Amino acid sequence: DAGVIQSPRHEVTEMGQEVTLRCKPISGHDYLFWYRQTMMRGLELLIYFNNNVPIDDSGMPEDRFSAKMPNASFSTLKIQPSEPRDSAVYFCASSPVGRWGSGNTIYFGEGSWLTVV
Amino acid sequence: QKEVEQNSGPLSVPEGAIASLNCTYSDRVSQSFFWYRQYSGKSPELIMSIYSNGDKEDGRFTAQLNKASQYVSLLIRDSQPSDSATYLCAVPSGNQGGKLIFGQGTELSVKP
Repeated sequence: DAGVIQSPRHEVTEMGQEVTLRCKPISGHDYLFWYRQTMMRGLELLIYFNNNVPIDDSGMPEDRFSAKMPNASFSTLKIQPSEPRDSAVYFCASSPVGRWGSGNTIYFGEGSWLTVV
Repeated sequence: QKEVEQNSGPLSVPEGAIASLNCTYSDRVSQSFFWYRQYSGKSPELIMSIYSNGDKEDGRFTAQLNKASQYVSLLIRDSQPSDSATYLCAVPSGNQGGKLIFGQGTELSVKP
């Protein structure tokens, strides 16, 4: 079975440019999560969706960040304009349900490595 | 206070020893607890979950949960160099789930 698919895997961009990260969750998973990982702050939850609806975006750092999920098989995380401090690994993850237990957990994509210079 | 706290390490143990990784959490209503392993340059992968007080064993891994003390740990017996990775503790935020909060991770190095 295909796992969570993210693109691009690596991106280097200049400060001020728009960055769009893409994610395809595991088919049948109703929850989609965007995390950011840095050495300083660890793995932070940015936003998560349930059935394509954003449920909690309290982790989105500022207005430069936006996320959408137009359908059950696709989500984007956009940064506009990008800044060097946005350099991080961005993980998309999905889960079949939002209640933890009975073996439910989240499954991560391989990440998008973003460098803003 | 952070919601999930771990010692960042690095924790270095010799091959064959027991590695002990610790995690504390702040949300008393949490019912599920997870340990993820992350190799350098890779994504986190689930290795253990625990829901009840006490111990849960899976091969060389044992998860221990003490809800009264809000403490969860992971023991790795007979540590191997291939266990060298960062171990992340994760706890749901709130009883309804949704948000899974991760600790900073503990870097483990197993020396041959």
